[in-house]
Amino acid sequence: GAGVSQTPSNKVTEKGKYVELRCDPISGHTALYWYRQSLGQGPEFLIYFQGTGAADDSGLPNDRFFAVRPEGSVSTLKIQRTERGDSAVYLCASSPRRGHYGYTFGSGTRLTVV
Amino acid sequence: AQKVTQAQTEISVVEKEDVTLDCVYETRDTTYYLFWYKQPPSGELVFLIRRNSFDEQNEISGRYSWNFQKSTSSFNFTITASQVVDSAVYFCALSETSGSRLTFGEGTQLTVNP
Repeated sequence: GAGVSQTPSNKVTEKGKYVELRCDPISGHTALYWYRQSLGQGPEFLIYFQGTGAADDSGLPNDRFFAVRPEGSVSTLKIQRTERGDSAVYLCASSPRRGHYGYTFGSGTRLTVV
Repeated sequence: AQKVTQAQTEISVVEKEDVTLDCVYETRDTTYYLFWYKQPPSGELVFLIRRNSFDEQNEISGRYSWNFQKSTSSFNFTITASQVVDSAVYFCALSETSGSRLTFGEGTQLTVNP
């Protein structure tokens, strides 16, 4: 596609529920990144994929968070047993390859845990 | 560890004033990239500029200019003759050569009043 697409744009869920957030990167981009942006803060790195593999997942806050990219294109960020503190905007970015530095960001998914 | 500091949380100016947004960074790498992004109310991060650590030449793009000084670890952004449409949150970010993540500052909320 022309840009990075994230769905849904908004998600409201109850505490304790499981959610999945989807990112569709720019076609051909091998590098994909997830960030989390809390209100009034800068985006914080969560995980980076190069192709199908998670090359760096050191930003995931705990084991309730997991992300996959099985075919090296679309990625899904999965959050189990959601907590109110997980409420944030989850941003996805892609770039042509690692080290290219030409990151393109999606519009994000605003997650609200009530 | 890398760190980006944007000491100005909020700036308010009147249209046509010049405004400078400050950015100070910390990194142990000798090769790195610095970025500025704009985040309008719509939420999408808009790329403005990328600079590598070996290129200290200042850059001008229309009303925007950037001053990179390695000696003070600063990468400041100036908007000349500001306009209401410049109102947004501006983020400075740093990427080390691994290319696996961006480290963002906390952002500066710029409000340009008519």
